[in-house]
Amino acid sequence: GAGVSQSPRYKVAKRGQDVALRCDPISGHVSLFWYQQALGQGPEFLTYFQNEAQLDKSGLPSDRFFAERPEGSVSTLKIQRTQQEDSAVYLCASSLTTRGREYTGELFFGEGSRLTVL
Amino acid sequence: GIQVEQSPPDLILQEGANSTLRCNFSDSVNNLQWFHQNPWGQLINLFYIPSGTKQNGRLSATTVATERYSLLYISSSQTTDSGVYFCAVEKPGGSYIPTFGRGTSLIVHP
Repeated sequence: GAGVSQSPRYKVAKRGQDVALRCDPISGHVSLFWYQQALGQGPEFLTYFQNEAQLDKSGLPSDRFFAERPEGSVSTLKIQRTQQEDSAVYLCASSLTTRGREYTGELFFGEGSRLTVL
Repeated sequence: GIQVEQSPPDLILQEGANSTLRCNFSDSVNNLQWFHQNPWGQLINLFYIPSGTKQNGRLSATTVATERYSLLYISSSQTTDSGVYFCAVEKPGGSYIPTFGRGTSLIVHP
């Protein structure tokens, strides 16, 4: 597609429910990032994929958070047994290039998925 | 990890005014981007500027990598410029995760 697409845009969950957030990156983009943004804060890193490989998940706040990108394209962020502190906007970004010692590249973000846990 | 500080945290302008937003970072970087987060929450790319100066209409940006800062200039501000401006940096040779500052919240009054 033309840009990064995320769904759902809005999700209201009762505490304890599981949720799944989808990210469809720009076609051909190798790198994919998930970020969490609390109200009034900057985006905080959650996890990074290079193609289908999850190279860094150091930002996931607990083992209730799980992300996958099985075919190196669409990614899903799953949150199990949601808690109120999980309420935030979850942002997905993709980039054409890999990341590493010599490579970098421009990030493109989706519109985000706003999660509210009651 | 690398620290990113943005200033000022909040800025209120009258339409037509000019402004300068600053992004300081604690280590050398090989990537720096400026984003505008619109009222609907989407991060819009403004500049990809690891070094040098770029201009796009009323906006321009300068990154002085050796002195570890970047500036975003907004001239003749419009109400549609309102929102939050973020810079994000990447450090070469170590963590390659783009790290964001806390942003500058800009309100432009008509």
